[in-house]
Amino acid sequence: NAGVTQTPKFQVLKTGQSMTLQCAQDMNHNSMYWYRQDPGMGLRLIYYSASEGTTDKGEVPNGYNVSRLNKREFSLRLESAAPSQTSVYFCASSVGLGYNSPLHFGNGTRLTVT
Amino acid sequence: QQQVKQSPQSLIVQKGGISIINCAYENTAFDYFPWYQQFPGKGPALLIAIRPDVSEKKEGRFTISFNKSAKQFSLHIMDSQPGDSATYFCAAVSGGYNKLIFGAGTRLAVHP
Repeated sequence: NAGVTQTPKFQVLKTGQSMTLQCAQDMNHNSMYWYRQDPGMGLRLIYYSASEGTTDKGEVPNGYNVSRLNKREFSLRLESAAPSQTSVYFCASSVGLGYNSPLHFGNGTRLTVT
Repeated sequence: QQQVKQSPQSLIVQKGGISIINCAYENTAFDYFPWYQQFPGKGPALLIAIRPDVSEKKEGRFTISFNKSAKQFSLHIMDSQPGDSATYFCAAVSGGYNKLIFGAGTRLAVHP
């Protein structure tokens, strides 16, 4: 099983450019998440989708949009990239929102905005 | 400000030693405390978790100690091995996984 697959693995953008980070899971999970990881900050939730057809803001949603394309796929879009969005982005999924369904993370996308 | 404070930032332990990572929180509504382990180039993975109705949980060489009155919890890794070298994140949550708050992380290096 592939688990959670993120593409691309690395990306360099210029300030103002846009891009979409892709995420797909093959575990038939209902909930999906986007986190960013920055040194000294841990992981912070950007957006999540509790189930297909729903999306909600997390802790740091400004500058991002998301789309839950279907049950498997959850994409993150940066409309106008800023240097402050330089980070490692992780997609995760879980069976649901309950504590008995831990997060399964992908291997991340390292994004640099110059 | 961080709702979950984790220390130390980095830790070096000799093989066979005990690694101890501490976390503290303020929000008394938190009711689930997982620890995630992350290897370089990989995403975090759940290691062990505890609910506040118990003071300790052990899984193999990994133990969580929980002090509800002090609002602190810690991860102990017994007989630390070089393969345990990774970054460890404590976390806390109430009301579901969509509200998971992570600590800043501890980079552990176990030297042979």
